[in-house]
This record gives sequence, structure tokens and C-alpha cells, in this order.
Amino acid sequence: AQSVTQLGSHVSVSEGALVLLRCNYSSSVPPYLFWYVQYPNQGLQLLLKYTTGATLVKGINGFEAEFKKSETSFHLTKPSAHMSDAAEYFCAVSEKTGFQKLVFGTGTRLLVSP
Amino acid sequence: SQTIHQWPATLVQPVGSPLSLECTVEGTSNPNLYWYRQAAGRGLQLLFYSVGIGQISSEVPQNLSASRPQDRQFILSSKKLLLSDSGFYLCAWSVGSGGRNEQFFGPGTRLTVL
Repeated sequence: AQSVTQLGSHVSVSEGALVLLRCNYSSSVPPYLFWYVQYPNQGLQLLLKYTTGATLVKGINGFEAEFKKSETSFHLTKPSAHMSDAAEYFCAVSEKTGFQKLVFGTGTRLLVSP
Repeated sequence: SQTIHQWPATLVQPVGSPLSLECTVEGTSNPNLYWYRQAAGRGLQLLFYSVGIGQISSEVPQNLSASRPQDRQFILSSKKLLLSDSGFYLCAWSVGSGGRNEQFFGPGTRLTVL
């Protein structure tokens, strides 16, 4: 069965600093990989996804993530944090075969200080 | 464009009372529909999904049930709520059967069982 581990339930950065949110997956076959963002009391919005091709994926709001098969990782980064980036971030995986069901990590809350 | 609605936005119910949460999607046909529950510190848990009218798959045993009476309507129900049913309930939709497809989330319903 697939699983997703997000290291750090909370990450704090200063405005303008690098953002790094970690995600590791456990799957016998490399899955499809997603990052979603959730603002308080709202639904989830897709930031980016990796399905095939280039392993460095660019998403919305200046975020990007790199799929590293050897490390079973899909870490999310942003060069310079903005106050508006404060939110909860979820990594998710989906198997390449069968019906699409997303398996989510437990989430990482990003705090951005001035 | 496609939109997804959930209501009510918030709900406070006593233990043992019934529950009905509704989700509707506009602007697409024959979507896959999903119900998730989000509890603090536990990420998103998939409760039910549906690939068509009357077709419901349950992911976890519990006192909740789901129904899909129309193509773009998904209902989450309970006959008797438990304290442990409290949480943030999210409905989502996608198209196709491939795992690479994005899921689109509604704004959520916050349920508090007292």
C-alpha cells in the first residue's frame, strides 16, 4: 500500500527566505505525485503535479518540486517566501494503474514571519 | 467553467442526531466524486468515492454512508452522529480514470458534534 510522509508538521521561515517542505513516498512503483495548498477554512488547491517527463516541476505562486526516484522524494521549494504563502501544504500520491485515489500526507503548516 | 458547492458551510449537531451533507458539481458530466474527512493532525482521509450514479465505494468502515442520486450530486449521511465524526468534510471531483488527473475540491463543511 502507498503511504506519504511529510517531515515536520510546522515549518517557520522569515519573509524572503527559502521554503523547503519535505515529502517522501512509499510505493513499489513510482506513483503520480501532487502538492496541494489549503488556506484556513478552505478547500484544497493544486500547486503542482508530476506525472511523467521532466523531474523538476514548476507550479503556481512560484513553487516548484523535484521528483527524485532514488530518494523516493518530492520536496516542495520556493526561493523567497511571501507572507501570503502561509498555509497548510499537503503532499499526495496516486497509483499509475487502477482508479485514481489520492493518498495524502498529514500536512505541513507553513508559518511566515515578517 | 466547473464549480463545486458544498453545504452547509458549518454545522453543529448533538451526538445521536442524523446528518446530511450535500455536494454538487457544475460544468462537467459524469465526474468521479469523493468525500474526505480532515481531522486535526491527520491529513485527509478518503471516506467514499463514486464513479457514477448509484455507484459508491467505501474506504473505511464507519457509521457514515454516501449516496449519488444524480450525476453531479453526492450526499454524505449518518443516522446517528458520534463525537468522533467531528471534522472538516471535503468533497472533490475529477474526470477520467487515470491517476494523473487532478482532483478539484469544494470549500468544505466544518462539522462539530457535541
